[in-house]
This record gives sequence, C-alpha cells and structure tokens, in this order.
Amino acid sequence: DTAVSQTPKYLVTQMGNDKSIKCEQNLGHDTMYWYKQDSKKFLKIMFSYNNKELIINETVPNRFSPKSPDKAHLNLHINSLELGDSAVYFCASGSVAQYFGPGTRLTVL
Amino acid sequence: GENVEQHPSTLSVQEGDSAVIKCTYSDSASNYFPWYKQELGKRPQLIIDIRSNVGEKKDQRIAVTLNKTAKHFSLHITETQPEDSAVYFCAARNMNSGYSTLTFGKGTMLLVSP
Repeated sequence: DTAVSQTPKYLVTQMGNDKSIKCEQNLGHDTMYWYKQDSKKFLKIMFSYNNKELIINETVPNRFSPKSPDKAHLNLHINSLELGDSAVYFCASGSVAQYFGPGTRLTVL
Repeated sequence: GENVEQHPSTLSVQEGDSAVIKCTYSDSASNYFPWYKQELGKRPQLIIDIRSNVGEKKDQRIAVTLNKTAKHFSLHITETQPEDSAVYFCAARNMNSGYSTLTFGKGTMLLVSP
C-alpha cells in the first residue's frame, strides 16, 4: 500500500562497481524525481521526469543514468561508483506537492 | 536559479513552547512553498504548504506565513511536543515553469526537550 517505494533500502558496495536503485509510485503522478541527501542532510534535486521524459538534469555526472520504463517507475543506475557517491538517495513523485520514498542509503567503500 | 536560505540551523525549545523557523527565497516568480519534516532515518514528509495567493495557513498546531514583498516565509509550531523533534525543511518553486522543481533550504534541526 506504500505510495512511493524504493529498493534496496541499504546498499554497500566497493568503489568502481555499478549499482541500480529502483523506485515505484502508485499515486498516478506523471512526474517523478531523484534527490541526493548528503551527510549534512542537504536535499538536492538530481533528475526530474515527466511522463517518462527527462525534464531536469541538475549537473549530475553522466555516471548517473535514470531510466523510466513507464510513468510509475523511475530507476537510477550508477556506474563506476566513487566514495563521494555515498549518500541517501530519495525518489519522489508529484506535480505540485512531492511525496518521497523511504530512501536508499548507499555506502561506497 | 532559486536560492532558499533557512534559519536557524538548530533550535532547542522546552516542551510546550513555540518554535519558529524562517526562510527567505530569491526568485520572485516562486509561488509554491512547502514544509517537510524529516525524522531520523526516515523520509521527508510534507506537513504543510502555502501558495503565493495566500498569506497564512494553519493546520492544528502548525501554521505557515508568507510575505511575498519581503520574499520570506515562516513555519510556526505551537505547544511543541517531544515528537516534534526532527529536521524541518522549507522549499520554494515556481509552479508556472514546467522546468522548475523544488529548491530546499538546508534544514533546521528542532529539539524539543520534555
């Protein structure tokens, strides 16, 4: 019944690996987002998708590639992981009010 | 682009006191201002929002005020309780732009002591 869900909740991996985070929303929203929250708790937009199309890409390295197979899903693939990628990644959906998923804590060793 | 400043960064109050968190924004075109509460280890949750055609909005113990001229908005929590302890984020957005998104403040950690 969860409105916005993401998997996995925790992800621990080595530098240089490739990993993916999945997000799904059952709210019927057209717009979905990826945010990064660093250790200082600062929330920063990474990507915005509207109806499966990329709308916003906020100066994110091209190692990060979002993919939206349909309106309800927005996945995030990260290549060649670096130490600085360690953070909590939140998916969100909504055209006006935005509703966040539970977050994925990524730790790169 | 939009820039949102939030103060204070930490706020400690006694249970039952009021708490006020203030934000300023730079883009006069911004017209949507939500507030989120994030408990430790949890997701940010929308607690209240206000649009620029309204000066004040209340929901039980929380209220938000907006001053468009000065480009600032505030969150007011009355009769604080320990469960109000969390990080609170303000945000701003221009809803008339299809290419805009929320710009968040850096957060305020509110600690309510019993």
